[in-house]
Amino acid sequence: DTGVSQDPRHKITKRGQNVTFRCDPISEHNRLYWYRQTLGQGPEFLTYFQNEAQLEKSRLLSDRFSAERPKGSFSTLEIQRTEQGDSAMYLCASSPTYGIWYGYTFGSGTRLTVV
Amino acid sequence: AQTVTQSQPEMSVQEAETVTLSCTYDTSESNYYLFWYKQPPSRQMILVIRQEAYKQQNATENRFSVNFQKAAKSFSLKISDSQLGDTAMYFCAFMKVPPNAGNMLTFGGGTRLMVKP
Repeated sequence: DTGVSQDPRHKITKRGQNVTFRCDPISEHNRLYWYRQTLGQGPEFLTYFQNEAQLEKSRLLSDRFSAERPKGSFSTLEIQRTEQGDSAMYLCASSPTYGIWYGYTFGSGTRLTVV
Repeated sequence: AQTVTQSQPEMSVQEAETVTLSCTYDTSESNYYLFWYKQPPSRQMILVIRQEAYKQQNATENRFSVNFQKAAKSFSLKISDSQLGDTAMYFCAFMKVPPNAGNMLTFGGGTRLMVKP
């Protein structure tokens, strides 16, 4: 198991374009989380999945954001009509439901720059 | 809602010395977990140490230890014998329990620690 993988590592896009990020969690982890981290700040929760079900979404997740986790494996985060304010690091993390005591395993993140 | 505050945006320490990073939090929950995460430059976030709120004993992991003061809602991290590899952003984080709470993490704003040779 190679941990949590995120792709791409970096993405530069023009304002108004759509972008999609992928996260592959640790295979035995049934919980998957998306966080957003702006420069010099701590990560902020966006949404999480228990298997394939999206159980909670932050108010930070506007209508332009959508996340999926088909079949409870990998997840995608899509941002439509990107804005400059979307520029950030998007972090994915996974955890088991039981054993959350051990904390999450984070991926290396996808850094989005909207120009 | 929970809030986590790290009042030291940046700190520096000489190699081999000891440094303490501060964290305070606000919550109405009685049971929760607290974490310190380390984020090295351009690398993924990794867990440093964790503490359960109902345990009075302070957690220790090798050179890392915490001072957990539940009444004061304080959770500081002490790094002993600092090493160059400790240079990173450090985030304090709060998690509600039990498992059906979703277990989202609320992070502080971070402290950038530089260890100088």
